Amino acid sequence: QVQLQESGPGLVQPSQTLSLTCAVSGDSINSGQTYWSWIRQPAGEALEWIGRISTSGSTLYNPSLKNRVTISLDTSKNHFSLELYSVTAADTALYYCARLRNGVMFDVWGRGTMVTVSS
Amino acid sequence: QSALTQPPSASGSPGQSVTISCTGTSSDVGAYNFVSWYQHHPGKAPKLILYEVTQRPSGVPDRFSGSKSGNTASLTVSGLQAEDEADYYCNSYTGTNNFYVFGAGTKVTVL
Repeated sequence: QVQLQESGPGLVQPSQTLSLTCAVSGDSINSGQTYWSWIRQPAGEALEWIGRISTSGSTLYNPSLKNRVTISLDTSKNHFSLELYSVTAADTALYYCARLRNGVMFDVWGRGTMVTVSS
Repeated sequence: QSALTQPPSASGSPGQSVTISCTGTSSDVGAYNFVSWYQHHPGKAPKLILYEVTQRPSGVPDRFSGSKSGNTASLTVSGLQAEDEADYYCNSYTGTNNFYVFGAGTKVTVL
């Protein structure tokens, strides 16, 4: 059974960098037809796709965040990571990692981790 | 890219059916048959229940069905059960810009 688990600080100061990791178990992060994604949901708002990384390391990001985000892969640890730079209160959200299959369906999700941006 | 539009809530009695709409545009829902639906019980990981508009992953009961007409996709839950009480989110591939757009979710209450 494939499981994803997000981890990282729950509180980040404004203008700092939000860093989260998603540990993958039950599947290799090198699996074919697979991308690894980050998705977030501010309270009371829609889910927002942040970006994805392929098993080869190529990335695509939501244009609204493109200049502030990096997603990376660590095959030795079977995990992938999110870095969001220069955060503001608007980046406060529940952050999910998810496996994206065939480029069109998020078939496995983590439980999410709440990140608050505040001084 | 705007979020997909879902009603904030829906409800039904056990055994009844409930249908949730998901309205997008000709650039997302109307352009591709890549609409997926997710069930989310708070505190748990969201679960994929439909993909490519009508396809159910292994293990998802056939009480869950999907359809699409124009720019609107729909999820129908038939024979409502207590465990169906959850938040439901739709998603569509857009091909450009954001690539993936979600709805704000519909809270289904089993009366």
